[in-house]
Amino acid sequence: RKEVEQDPGPFNVPEGATVAFNCTYSNSASQSFFWYRQDCRKEPKLLMSVYSSGNEDGRFTAQLNRASQYISLLIRDSKLSDSATYLCVVDSASNDYKLSFGAGTTVTVRA
Amino acid sequence: DGGITQSPKYLFRKEGQNVTLSCEQNLNHDAMYWYRQDPGQGLRLIYYSQIVNDFQKGDIAEGYSVSREKKESFPLTVTSAQKNPTAFYLCASRISGTGLWGEQYFGPGTRLTVT
Repeated sequence: RKEVEQDPGPFNVPEGATVAFNCTYSNSASQSFFWYRQDCRKEPKLLMSVYSSGNEDGRFTAQLNRASQYISLLIRDSKLSDSATYLCVVDSASNDYKLSFGAGTTVTVRA
Repeated sequence: DGGITQSPKYLFRKEGQNVTLSCEQNLNHDAMYWYRQDPGQGLRLIYYSQIVNDFQKGDIAEGYSVSREKKESFPLTVTSAQKNPTAFYLCASRISGTGLWGEQYFGPGTRLTVT
């Protein structure tokens, strides 16, 4: 079983729509969770960390469900510039700060 | 401007040749990482280094080698023993200390094609 699994999509949504997707992780000992954004043929960049209580950053909301071992990302009022691949990232629960990356969920926002 | 540089952006090699990918950072980060990304897969860790003159194997180290002689530099050599070297290679560094440790800064990557 992969450490981090994501629905690859693509999610095709019109501008202004809300889109949400999840990822599941296998290691119940993981403590830290993140969403990274990767544009086509570019490097990943940290979008937001995911906290136990859930957190919001502008139009982006991240939630963590430890019992079911999944995290979610919701994007409100989608913009064309939100088109990207969103990588779910989880710590490997080791002492050396390694991260496990999901394969990504692709979102395409159309005009 | 602080950041991570990788060169070259595109690299073409013949099978059987070793090739070294460059990674330099001026962020004063202690930890550095090498990943490879293949279509439809998540980033996979090749090697990482938490401090100068020390490095550890990641999940897919076979056929690769690294060195960390300077804090700023973490070159990756793809040897002829690597069976499927064609991939997108990403170098990253991490801020020191336990806070914000999940934020890794990535270089722009090197696309290696071996024929």
